[in-house]
Amino acid sequence: QSALTQPASVSGSPGQSITISCTGTSSDVGVYNSVSWYQQHPGKAPKLMIYDVSNRPSGVSNRFSGSKSGNTASLTISGLQAEDEADYYCSSYTSSTSYVFGTGTKVTVL
Amino acid sequence: QVQLVQSGAEVKKPGASVKVSCKASGYTFTGYYIHWVRQAPGQGLEWMGWINPNSGGTNYAQKFQGWVTMTRDTSISTAYMELSRLRYDDAAVYFCARSSVEAFDIWGQGTMVIVSS
Repeated sequence: QSALTQPASVSGSPGQSITISCTGTSSDVGVYNSVSWYQQHPGKAPKLMIYDVSNRPSGVSNRFSGSKSGNTASLTISGLQAEDEADYYCSSYTSSTSYVFGTGTKVTVL
Repeated sequence: QVQLVQSGAEVKKPGASVKVSCKASGYTFTGYYIHWVRQAPGQGLEWMGWINPNSGGTNYAQKFQGWVTMTRDTSISTAYMELSRLRYDDAAVYFCARSSVEAFDIWGQGTMVIVSS
């Protein structure tokens, strides 16, 4: 199972919006709505930010939103803040009853 | 509060085995699957497999089949991941994570495994 494809880096200024893409195949992202997104600060465990494509867990800021079209899922961070600077990973359930993560995106707040 | 607490860092020689524990608290251990995910230094996340704490059933990523063993002890709400025949490129931080609605909602703090002769 190959990793989902994400851009290596995305940057934006405080207050701006950025979008991170996550491209898979018709065996994972394209066929399941079990796409989730994780935020990871250096030296820390990942934190769930979005599940089932577009749902936010309790306590996650509504500045984070998710969507999906075909084989590509997206995470949008609006009103970018310094604390959003971190690595972000997508994940999807797959047709082989396994899970796959994305390659990861480093978000930089300019 | 709901949490997963993992065992401490390990230093192992190539060819040896390592067993990492993950103790759950604050929720019904048998009600949620436990997954194992690893992250090599400077690299991304890699899913290794899951265990159903209720039945003991497992599902390993193809890459790790025959090489990883996931078990649990329900009496102490603890899951284990054992990786055998360690190689230098198995050096990584190993995380356990609980799954809910096909997402990993609670993570352990991670266990660093160092492989060194």
